[in-house]
Amino acid sequence: QVQLVQSGAELRNPGASVKVSCKASGYTFTNYHIHWVRQAPGQAPEWMGVFFSDGDTAYGQEFQGRVAMTRDTSTSTVYMELSSLRSEDTALYYCMREYALTYYFDYWGQGTLVTVSP
Amino acid sequence: QSTLTQPRSVSGSPGQSVTISCTGTSSDISNYKYVSWYQQHPGKAPKFILYDVSKWPSGVPDRFSGSKSGNTASLTISGLQAEDEADYYCCSYTGIPGRPFVFGTGTEVTVL
Repeated sequence: QVQLVQSGAELRNPGASVKVSCKASGYTFTNYHIHWVRQAPGQAPEWMGVFFSDGDTAYGQEFQGRVAMTRDTSTSTVYMELSSLRSEDTALYYCMREYALTYYFDYWGQGTLVTVSP
Repeated sequence: QSTLTQPRSVSGSPGQSVTISCTGTSSDISNYKYVSWYQQHPGKAPKFILYDVSKWPSGVPDRFSGSKSGNTASLTISGLQAEDEADYYCCSYTGIPGRPFVFGTGTEVTVL
């Protein structure tokens, strides 16, 4: 069955970086785009960016210059690294998959809590 | 951060119907048919329940239905069941580089 399994919770100091992984299984990994969103407490999910199936990336304008997404096809894993962390980055981070340009996310990871606190 | 507006909560008794609205702008919902809905139980990952405004993915009961009028999309849950108690989020494609997807603020559905 399709699964997206994310890495565990992280605690970081302000100014540091965090790298969250999303390991896929149960489908042909390179046929799907992997998106990332985050959800701060009590707020709507916010789109962060996408690692396209062809290897290209696109990032949300609010995260330009601070986010980087990479892929390791040997382990079917996509990584999302966010740098220059501040307290407002404290949130649950989710990865999701999208097939081609269907504009919906049919499977989600379980979420990774990133806490930014001195 | 731009978001789609949803009511904070709706409630209904078992067997009743509830409708959740999702209001956007001319940049998103009214411009595209790409509205999707997600159900999230506490502590769980969101589950995909509708796409392209009103289409069901495999395995989702047809008690869940969707529609759109102008810049507002709606999710209706008919024959409300206890397991429908969850948070629901809408999402729309915008076509805007740097912000291609916008999500709703979320609605808590309570089954009385």
